Amino acid sequence: DIVMTQSPDSLAVSLGERATISCKSSQSVLYSSKNKNYLAWYQQKPGQSPKLLIYWASTRESGVPDRFSGSGSGTDFSLTISSLQAEDVAVYYCQQYYTTPQTFGQGTKVEIK
Amino acid sequence: QVQLQESGPGLVKPSETLSLTCTVSGGSISGYYWSWVRQPPGKGLEWIGFIHYTGSINYNPSLQSRVAISVDTSKNQFSLKLSSVTAADTAIYYCARVYCSGGTCSGYMDVWGRGTTVTVSS
Repeated sequence: DIVMTQSPDSLAVSLGERATISCKSSQSVLYSSKNKNYLAWYQQKPGQSPKLLIYWASTRESGVPDRFSGSGSGTDFSLTISSLQAEDVAVYYCQQYYTTPQTFGQGTKVEIK
Repeated sequence: QVQLQESGPGLVKPSETLSLTCTVSGGSISGYYWSWVRQPPGKGLEWIGFIHYTGSINYNPSLQSRVAISVDTSKNQFSLKLSSVTAADTAIYYCARVYCSGGTCSGYMDVWGRGTTVTVSS
């Protein structure tokens, strides 16, 4: 199985400041022939189901605010919230869909400082 | 837009079989893969498996001996059965749609149900 490791486990950021979450995979999730990274990011607010934010490592899902951005390739990825808003308090998960079993990171909890 | 709704018993006895159904509304079950994902209390997400509307299936090897996913296109539903449950199977169970376009499917999940809590206890 591909192991997905996120860091940090939690972070507290002031409103309007930048939040960055790292996600590392135990093997590359880059499908070279398609030049696509099979990596997604989800947001899960308390008491809610996960919501897709980013796919193909850097493509924002329709309706997702542009303060959310994804980057990286191969085994190292990051999710950045450029200006944290109160409604961004949530747990964020990365997921690889390069191969089955699909696997998720352990989650990163983002809070307001 | 497409909505998913999980249904099934909220309480299952140890050693029995957990059975859940996901009903797809606002769109067709055809043309997509459909997933089950679970989340133990206070923990992260675990992929259980997915099924194509044609019946092709892929399970998480960690659960493969106990899990069965099926699809009923006439009812626009797909189902999960997990046998020989223990307390470790207590979780919120989510159904989700795998994004597909033009016959090509990705793997990421773009539509999720609200989830249903299943507790395993005698």
